Amino acid sequence: QSVLTQPPSASGAPGQRATISCSRSNSNIGSITVDWYQHIPGTAPKLLVYRGDQRPSGVPDRFSGSRSGTSASLVISGLQSEDEADYYCATWDERLKVYIFGTGTRVTVL
Amino acid sequence: EEVLMESGGASRQPGGSLRLSCEASGFSIHIYEMNWVRQAPGKGLEWISYINNVGSNIYYADSVKGRFTVSRDNTNNSLSLQMSSLRVEDTGVYYCARRVPRSAHFDLWGQGTPVTVSS
Repeated sequence: QSVLTQPPSASGAPGQRATISCSRSNSNIGSITVDWYQHIPGTAPKLLVYRGDQRPSGVPDRFSGSRSGTSASLVISGLQSEDEADYYCATWDERLKVYIFGTGTRVTVL
Repeated sequence: EEVLMESGGASRQPGGSLRLSCEASGFSIHIYEMNWVRQAPGKGLEWISYINNVGSNIYYADSVKGRFTVSRDNTNNSLSLQMSSLRVEDTGVYYCARRVPRSAHFDLWGQGTPVTVSS
């Protein structure tokens, strides 16, 4: 089963940019589609990006997803205090019929 | 407003059983594939189960396979997770989540219900 690896933490001052990477253990991430979720502990997780770079309605455009080579990335532009949360990439493995979450990244706004 | 609301979380001893429910309101679940996701204390999100819109396709994570059973009642707009042979490592917050048709992502989540397994 693939493992999606994320850095454990990321941070930035208000207004700065934070980038979270998501790499796949045994294959090029270019072969899968990646979703991104925001989770503030104690609340419902929230979908931020799906199919790599698509944003649901209501998600601010300062959240953007991209893919490059062997990893996917979530960029938070113009960090705000309310962006402090845990962020997870995820993908459906059609062969194994499982949905895999990344290891998660805690974002801190300094 | 579209809402998912989990219930049924409780404390159990190892080896015990528990049934979680997820009630949908503001939309009909009959066209949606549904999932359960959990988060153990201090850990990340873990997907544990999927059921398609009519209940004919069901998948589980290896960690719960053979112990947990997912079911749905489209008439009552609800989803259930029957948990048996509970282990300490099943402790966590359990979320139900709606999967977008013909896609993989989860666009609506509940607030979660806590389960504690301890002797």
